[in-house]
Amino acid sequence: DTEVTQTPKHLVMGMTNKKSLKCEQHMGHRAMYWYKQKAKKPPELMFVYSYEKLSINESVPSRFSPECPNSSLLNLHLHALQPEDSALYLCASSKEGLGYNEQFFGPGTRLTVL
Amino acid sequence: QKEVEQNSGPLSVPEGAIASLNCTYSDRVSQSFFWYRQYSGKSPELIMSIYSNGDKEDGRFTAQLNKASQYVSLLIRDSQPSDSATYLCAVRGGGYQKVTFGIGTKLQVIP
Repeated sequence: DTEVTQTPKHLVMGMTNKKSLKCEQHMGHRAMYWYKQKAKKPPELMFVYSYEKLSINESVPSRFSPECPNSSLLNLHLHALQPEDSALYLCASSKEGLGYNEQFFGPGTRLTVL
Repeated sequence: QKEVEQNSGPLSVPEGAIASLNCTYSDRVSQSFFWYRQYSGKSPELIMSIYSNGDKEDGRFTAQLNKASQYVSLLIRDSQPSDSATYLCAVRGGGYQKVTFGIGTKLQVIP
């Protein structure tokens, strides 16, 4: 299984809602990532988990809260989002180890904040 | 100064031609280089990775790396309309886990 899955595919939420995005991989990878991508822009790194520990937080607002329950799962909890947070949210995973860490992306969750 | 630079395009090539996509990067200690293809509304798909100077071929795709010039390119031979997409150059720099993406080059293959 060489796939990263994400649920839901689409999410519409109000600014007062709390929701969660989910990501799962079964490739035995030990690093997992959350990216945000706006239209016609490259993916923008938000968080990196390495061996289930948060290793990079790219100064993301606290209304985004990541969680890594185990090596295969990654969640992104959303609360009090703003309309400008509407974007494609991408999960990725990679092997751990020096050098050659190819990242494989899931299909993404299209988030709309009303 | 941008860390990974690409021409946003669009780059238009006729079907059957060679498409040449270019990327420059600023971090001299960069170790790993990747090309992703992204169709509109979809997620990025890894198509090539390259780590050493020179060429790497995989089917119709050839990645070329020149670390001295801080330049990486992707050639697509016998371009097909299905190759029409945005191609993202990604570079892993001196940091261990972070990958920086270029803005992407939009490729249009004209039938």
